[in-house]
Amino acid sequence: TQLLEQSPQFLSIQEGENLTVYCNSSSVFSSLQWYRQEPGEGPVLLVTVVTGGEVKKLKRLTFQFGDARKDSSLHITAAQTGDTGLYLCAGWNSGNTPLVFGKGTRLSVIA
Amino acid sequence: EAQVTQNPRYLITVTGKKLTVTCSQNMNHEYMSWYRQDPGLGLRQIYYSMNVEVTDKGDVPEGYKVSRKEKRNFPLILESPSPNQTSLYFCASSLQVLTGELFFGEGSRLTVL
Repeated sequence: TQLLEQSPQFLSIQEGENLTVYCNSSSVFSSLQWYRQEPGEGPVLLVTVVTGGEVKKLKRLTFQFGDARKDSSLHITAAQTGDTGLYLCAGWNSGNTPLVFGKGTRLSVIA
Repeated sequence: EAQVTQNPRYLITVTGKKLTVTCSQNMNHEYMSWYRQDPGLGLRQIYYSMNVEVTDKGDVPEGYKVSRKEKRNFPLILESPSPNQTSLYFCASSLQVLTGELFFGEGSRLTVL
């Protein structure tokens, strides 16, 4: 199974600060996805990136796929308390293998 | 409404008493998967299915069985539950692999005494 390593595991910041979380692997992925999970609920997709070097923006969230398609980052600008949650990266390796998840980064934004 | 439905949402049972967690999706998705989520261990895949009658083991299949007789249903069977199977379980489905969004059910919290 291809591994996705996420860092940091935990992050606690003040409202208004910027942050970046990382998702790294030694394997190449056809695509990478980021999900956010809130307590008591299932994860919900934020974005899918498929092209090496691709950058996608979702309001204050910026996602980047590494040039070699082995890593990805999520940058949040001016974090808000509503950004609190568990952020999971997941990768599709090929059409014959299942979606692989990282262990997640648990973000806490304090007012 | 497009959704993945799991039942039961909560269950407390005893060691050895067979149980089934049902999962149904109404989106005609081909790919379905079961995960368990434990503190510090993230989402771990139990079994997945690329299509009807096709199932494969994930990372932690021991103690579990699945079947995919119809496209919409993907039940998870615990033949003889043990306390180490106490966990939060999620079923998920996707229209396609490689780029498809994974839709998750609301989760089933299982406690085995």
